Amino acid sequence: KQEVTQIPAALSVPEGENLVLNCSFTDSAIYNLQWFRQDPGKGLTSLLLIQSSQREQTSGRLNASLDKSSGRSTLYIAASQPGDSATYLCAVAVNQAGTALIFGKGTTLSVSS
Amino acid sequence: DGGITQSPKYLFRKEGQNVTLSCEQNLNHDAMYWYRQDPGQGLRLIYYSQIVNDFQKGDIAEGYSVSREKKESFPLTVTSAQKNPTAFYLCASSIDWPGQIYGYTFGSGTRLTVV
Repeated sequence: KQEVTQIPAALSVPEGENLVLNCSFTDSAIYNLQWFRQDPGKGLTSLLLIQSSQREQTSGRLNASLDKSSGRSTLYIAASQPGDSATYLCAVAVNQAGTALIFGKGTTLSVSS
Repeated sequence: DGGITQSPKYLFRKEGQNVTLSCEQNLNHDAMYWYRQDPGQGLRLIYYSQIVNDFQKGDIAEGYSVSREKKESFPLTVTSAQKNPTAFYLCASSIDWPGQIYGYTFGSGTRLTVV
């Protein structure tokens, strides 16, 4: 059964620092991997979607990479800002009956000014 | 703007009462999903629907029911059989199941509390 793990569970950094969030999954048979942002008490906002045939995607200060063979993805945030403080979730789409998007438990990021 | 609308934002349920959470999308997506989020447990799939008039149980369907009579709507009923319904409920949709092409879009959530 596919499992998704995110490390670390929480991260605190000073403003301006570059940082990396990690996501690993146990089964490489995925359609895609999606990174989301969640602010407290809010829904999920999609940040980046990487198809299984792609290696990376970029949006502004965010860059996500995917190594399907090793079951790993990283989300790189450049020049972090206090507004980046949120929980970041990664999820994989799989073709298994009875399931859909499978999530990690998230990394809660705090950026101090 | 296209998107997913969940209502209400906050809902309070008395013991033994059934309540229904609304989810409407105007994205013309075929597939829709309900997830439950609890602190420390991440998101867990309750039900999903690949197409109108069809739906499938997810990991934690017991105590919940759904319907998909219209493409735009996928309401979730939390029945009295759900013993611990206090949680944050998120609705999502995708063009196709399981979100192979363009991924998933989520609503803003409904927080359900038992009183």
